[in-house]
Amino acid sequence: GENVEQHPSTLSVQEGDSAVIKCTYSDSASNYFPWYKQELGKRPQLIIDIRSNVGEKKDQRIAVTLNKTAKHFSLHITETQPEDSAVYFCAANDSGGYQKVTFGIGTKLQVIP
Amino acid sequence: IAGITQAPTSQILAAGRRMTLRCTQDMRHNAMYWYRQDLGLGLRLIHYSNTAGTTGKGEVPDGYSVSRANTDDFPLTLASAVPSQTSVYFCASSPTGSDYGYTFGSGTRLTVV
Repeated sequence: GENVEQHPSTLSVQEGDSAVIKCTYSDSASNYFPWYKQELGKRPQLIIDIRSNVGEKKDQRIAVTLNKTAKHFSLHITETQPEDSAVYFCAANDSGGYQKVTFGIGTKLQVIP
Repeated sequence: IAGITQAPTSQILAAGRRMTLRCTQDMRHNAMYWYRQDLGLGLRLIHYSNTAGTTGKGEVPDGYSVSRANTDDFPLTLASAVPSQTSVYFCASSPTGSDYGYTFGSGTRLTVV
């Protein structure tokens, strides 16, 4: 099955700086890579996703990049704000018709005002 | 109902008791999932269902059972609760599961004493 590794586990940045979270996956057939944000005490929410037919996708201050050859993908947050503080999860879909994704362990991002 | 609803919000349960966590969605999503979230362990898949009438085991299925009698409902049952099942439980749904994002419920905080 798919294995997703995520790092760092914790990340602290100053407000206004950029934050980068990296993930690797094991299944070369994976073709869908979502990212979720979970604020303290809340449910995870999808913030951006990327499919294997593109290498980069942007949505305002967040962007994802995908390197299929190296089997890694990253989340980039620019001009960080205190409200970006949360736990971020990456995920990759499982091939073989299992209709599910495998999540990374999560990264706790703290933006220091 | 708008989206996906879980009940109860929280519960304290005596060890050995039977408990069913409820999950209902009104988005006509085919795929549904149950995750547990424990500090430092991320989101671990308990059971999933690709479509009504089918279910599958996830990463940590022992002690849990599910059913999917129709598209909207996906209850999770703990037959005989143990303290190690103390956790936050999230239900999620997706149109297909493998290449669309998940919508999560608000979670059930379960404490087994």
